[in-house]
Amino acid sequence: DTGVSQDPRHKITKRGQNVTFRCDPISEHNRLYWYRQTLGQGPEFLTYFQNEAQLEKSRLLSDRFSAERPKGSFSTLEIQRTEQGDSAMYLCASSLTSANYEQYFGPGTRLTVT
Amino acid sequence: GNSVTQMEGPVTLSEEAFLTINCTYTATGYPSLFWYVQYPGEGLQLLLKATKADDKGSNKGFEATYRKETTSFHLEKGSVQVSDSAVYFCALNPPGNEKLTFGTGTRLTIIP
Repeated sequence: DTGVSQDPRHKITKRGQNVTFRCDPISEHNRLYWYRQTLGQGPEFLTYFQNEAQLEKSRLLSDRFSAERPKGSFSTLEIQRTEQGDSAMYLCASSLTSANYEQYFGPGTRLTVT
Repeated sequence: GNSVTQMEGPVTLSEEAFLTINCTYTATGYPSLFWYVQYPGEGLQLLLKATKADDKGSNKGFEATYRKETTSFHLEKGSVQVSDSAVYFCALNPPGNEKLTFGTGTRLTIIP
C-alpha cells in the first residue's frame, strides 16, 4: 500500500502534555497538508508544505502547534501543553504540484485530551 | 470568504432509492469543486470533482454538475446501495489557493 500513512492512529493524553504525530505522504508527492476535524464537522485546514517549506498556516494553528517537514518527505505535527479543546481527528493529505491536483488523505490520528 | 453549505443529515434511504445531497458554495473566482466520501473506519477519499462551470464529475454511479449560476454542486445517484453508507463532504478550492474548504458533511445510511 503506497497511500498516505499516519502514526499513531489513536492518542490519549492528559491535559498539559505534549504530543507529536507523524505523516508519511505518497512518495512522489511534494505537497503535504494538515487538517483538523472535530466531531460533526468537516476538516479544517491547518497548514501546508511544498517540499520542506511551510507555505501557509491557518489562524487555527496557535503558537502551541508546530509542524515540520525537514527533508521534504515525512512531516510531524507537535502540540505542546495540550488542552481539551485540542481533541480532534488530525488528518494529513498529500498531492502533486500540478494545475489539476488531487489531495490524498491518510486515515487520521484521533487525539483525546483528558 | 470561501464557504460550503451542505444539506444537513443524517439521511436515511432504502436500497435502490434516488439520492440527492445538496451543496452550495461561496467563493472568489472560479473554484474547483469536490465531493469526498468517508466510509466507516477509513480516511477521506475523493469521489468526484469538477474544475469549471458546467463540468460534470462522475464516479461509482454518482454525479455532480458544477452550476455557476446557482453556485451549486449537488451530488446525485440514481440507485443507492447499502455499501454507499458513509459520510459525504462537499469541498472547494479557489484558483491559486492550496487549501480545501469543506462543508460539515452529510451522513448517509442505506437500509436494505
